[in-house]
Amino acid sequence: DADVTQTPRNRITKTGKRIMLECSQTKGHDRMYWYRQDPGLGLRLIYYSFDVKDINKGEISDGYSVSRQAQAKFSLSLESAIPNQTALYFCATSDLRRGEAFFGQGTRLTVV
Amino acid sequence: AQRVTQPEKLLSVFKGAPVELKCNYSYSGSPELFWYVQYSRQRLQLLLRHISRESIKGFTADLNKGETSFHLKKPFAQEEDSAMYYCALKVSNQAGTALIFGKGTTLSVSS
Repeated sequence: DADVTQTPRNRITKTGKRIMLECSQTKGHDRMYWYRQDPGLGLRLIYYSFDVKDINKGEISDGYSVSRQAQAKFSLSLESAIPNQTALYFCATSDLRRGEAFFGQGTRLTVV
Repeated sequence: AQRVTQPEKLLSVFKGAPVELKCNYSYSGSPELFWYVQYSRQRLQLLLRHISRESIKGFTADLNKGETSFHLKKPFAQEEDSAMYYCALKVSNQAGTALIFGKGTTLSVSS
């Protein structure tokens, strides 16, 4: 099942570098989300988008930016990566009527 | 405030024992709740939603508005149930709807 695809799957980067995580979906959903998963902190919402012209900050948007290039693509950028951004990042889409979210396989990012 | 609380980080049980994963929520609107599961090295996937009142893999969850809870239950745990479980709440605001998640509970089932 590759309805929501994230690239890269793993990335190690240095402090201060800019990095982009990409997400594409084939489900035709308008809504897309970026979450961050940390041990003991669960899933926290970074940014979400309800259509190409709509971007909303989530719970922890500082240090991140996003771009909704098309209905099917939603990328997350770290302008200047720092070690506490080391985490597992998930992209998701959702069906408005059902409220159900569909997740990508995650990108494991390590900032050294 | 909109919030989902899962009080247990880890729940360890023996195979065949009953399981209850707790979830409490805070939301001023009409709640719509979900349970998601993440097996080792796999993506999160929907386990069940309160609206459909279904039983998936032997798990059930009932929405209790009086207690603002949506606990996940299974009468007899299996080793393959070992995973991370997240409770989620659909919230709506002027911008639209989004899912917010609890911090998750790791269920460990041993033989």
